[in-house]
This record gives sequence, C-alpha cells and structure tokens, in this order.
Amino acid sequence: SAVISQKPSRDICQRGTSLTIQCQVDSQVTMMFWYRQQPGQSLTLIATANQGSEATYESGFVIDKFPISRPNLTFSTLTVSNMSPEDSSIYLCSVSRGRTGELFFGEGSRLTVL
Amino acid sequence: DAKTTQPNSMESNEEEPVHLPCNHSTISGTDYIHWYRQLPSQGPEYVIHGLTSNVNNRMASLAIAEDRKSSTLILHRATLRDAAVYYCILRDTGGGADGLTFGKGTHLIIQP
Repeated sequence: SAVISQKPSRDICQRGTSLTIQCQVDSQVTMMFWYRQQPGQSLTLIATANQGSEATYESGFVIDKFPISRPNLTFSTLTVSNMSPEDSSIYLCSVSRGRTGELFFGEGSRLTVL
Repeated sequence: DAKTTQPNSMESNEEEPVHLPCNHSTISGTDYIHWYRQLPSQGPEYVIHGLTSNVNNRMASLAIAEDRKSSTLILHRATLRDAAVYYCILRDTGGGADGLTFGKGTHLIIQP
C-alpha cells in the first residue's frame, strides 16, 4: 500500500485566484497521477507526473490551467490557475504500485470557488 | 483501457451477500480486471483484481466468467460500511505507467 497526504484537505477560493495542492507520498514512486472529481461525477484523469520530465496531460486539460511540479520521487503539486466556479471539484493525487499497477489515492482536496 | 458496463445502482440488506456485476465484452487477453470502491468523502481504494481465475482476499471475491466477458464482485456479508460506489476497470498488463480510466460505477446502498 501507500500513504498519501494531500494539502489542503479543503479550501474556499475567490474567482480569478490560483490554488496549489500538495501531494506527499511515504515512499518513492515513479509515476504520480492527478484526478478531478466534479460534484456527483466519477473521476477524470488530469495528468501524469513523472519525476524529471514534463507532465503528460489528458485531452481537455492544459498546462497553463493546471501546472504540475514533480521535484522529487515523493512529492508533487497541482495548481489550479485563474479559478472559476466550474473548477469547484475534489482533486485527488494517486500513485501506482505493484506489478499490475494498483492505484492508491490520497483523501482528496475539496475546492470550492465562489 | 477497454470499456466496462455496470448497473448505476444496487441495493442490498446488511449481513447479506452482494453480487456486483460488470460486463466487459471487448476485453483483450492482456487486460486485468480491477475493482475499486469509493466510500463517501474519501478517495477510491483498491479492492481486488484478477486475470482469468477467481480471486479471494479479505475484502471480497472476484468471479470471472470463463470467456472473461463479464465478472462479478462478491461481498460475502455486507455491512453498512460497504456502502460506496464500486468501479470495475480493465487495465492492460503493461499499464503500470498509466492512470486508470474510471466509469460511472455502481452505487451500492446497504439497508440496515
């Protein structure tokens, strides 16, 4: 398993501002994944963060809106830039472990944009 | 990841077995069948996975059809704590570097 800590657990932000979410893992991992879960919806993969290289973004997500840092093998940040109410979601960090790639998730960061 | 089909919701009584179905008719030979669940206000958690044979762990059992086009997650004795959204996901054996694609899942309701 993996212990994944996310900060903040929740926040209320004003339109037009940016928020950075931190993800700390208890051991080194190659890949870290960022997901978004909009209210009442399933999870959508935003991007994959590999240490030492640019993050790979899924269709519909761009680096200018969701810049990601991956400075080492245990830590990553996701920034939600120039926020609007549509960005109100839970953002989750995840890592892959095991031969068949089981995913482990943080508790999520619940973001409300007013 | 290949597509899976699950019922939107199911209801069961506490202390009874629950069978959660999943159809994956386009599964390839290298796809593992993974199950995750998401309890209210929490991130998803891994439940079980299998390739061809039925699998058991402390949380659940996974029954895989002989043709692998469907599977069933079995909770042997449901508790109120098992109320969650259950996701059935196919993952290629070489997909360790890829994030999972989540569908809508099955919302399991447990009645006391």
